[in-house]
Amino acid sequence: QLQLQESGPGLVKPSETLSLTCTVSGDSISNDNYYWGWIRQPPGKGLEWIASIHYSGSTYYNPSLESRVTVSVDTSKNEFSLKLSSVTVADTAVYYCARRAVISKMHIVTTVFDYWGQGTLVTVSS
Amino acid sequence: DIQMTQSPSSLSASVGDRVTITCRASQSISNYVNWYQHKPGKAPDLLIYGASTLQSGVPSRFRGSGSGTDFTLTISSLQPEDFATYYCQQSYSTPIYTFGQGTKLEIK
Repeated sequence: QLQLQESGPGLVKPSETLSLTCTVSGDSISNDNYYWGWIRQPPGKGLEWIASIHYSGSTYYNPSLESRVTVSVDTSKNEFSLKLSSVTVADTAVYYCARRAVISKMHIVTTVFDYWGQGTLVTVSS
Repeated sequence: DIQMTQSPSSLSASVGDRVTITCRASQSISNYVNWYQHKPGKAPDLLIYGASTLQSGVPSRFRGSGSGTDFTLTISSLQPEDFATYYCQQSYSTPIYTFGQGTKLEIK
């Protein structure tokens, strides 16, 4: 069974860089069929997609965060990471990692986030 | 950007009730809508993809419908384990994604 687990500091100071890692178990992160993504949920708000990365290094970013976000992958450790720079209190959120899969079934071809980690709360505060 | 607007933002209902959650896209997105269920402290679960196809293992009381800009998630007979927050998500503009703001389903 695929499992994803987020890890990283739970408290980050304003203007500093938030760094999180997602460790994948139960499958290789080098599976060509998948991208790996980061999604966050600020307190009392909805979900916001941040970025996705393929093991090859191909990346996609949310345009609203792109200038501050970097995602990377370490295939030797079967993990991928998120860095968000110049954080403010508005970046306080539960951060989730997830697997993005392509579903091709009958007449449907679409992409979904089919496995998620349980999330980690990151608070931005001095 | 494609915006996804869910309504209502919260909903109170009783076990056995039929409930409907709606999601409206800011432009036509064909059937590229997924629905997720999210319980506090847990990982979100994929319920429906392609607007109407149930993910494997999802009970048949969940039904998704819609195309274009208007989509609905219907739960035909609420069970205690269904009280959660539900999100729609568009995959039309893949690899860029947006979610609705969520609908919190609470016990009346």
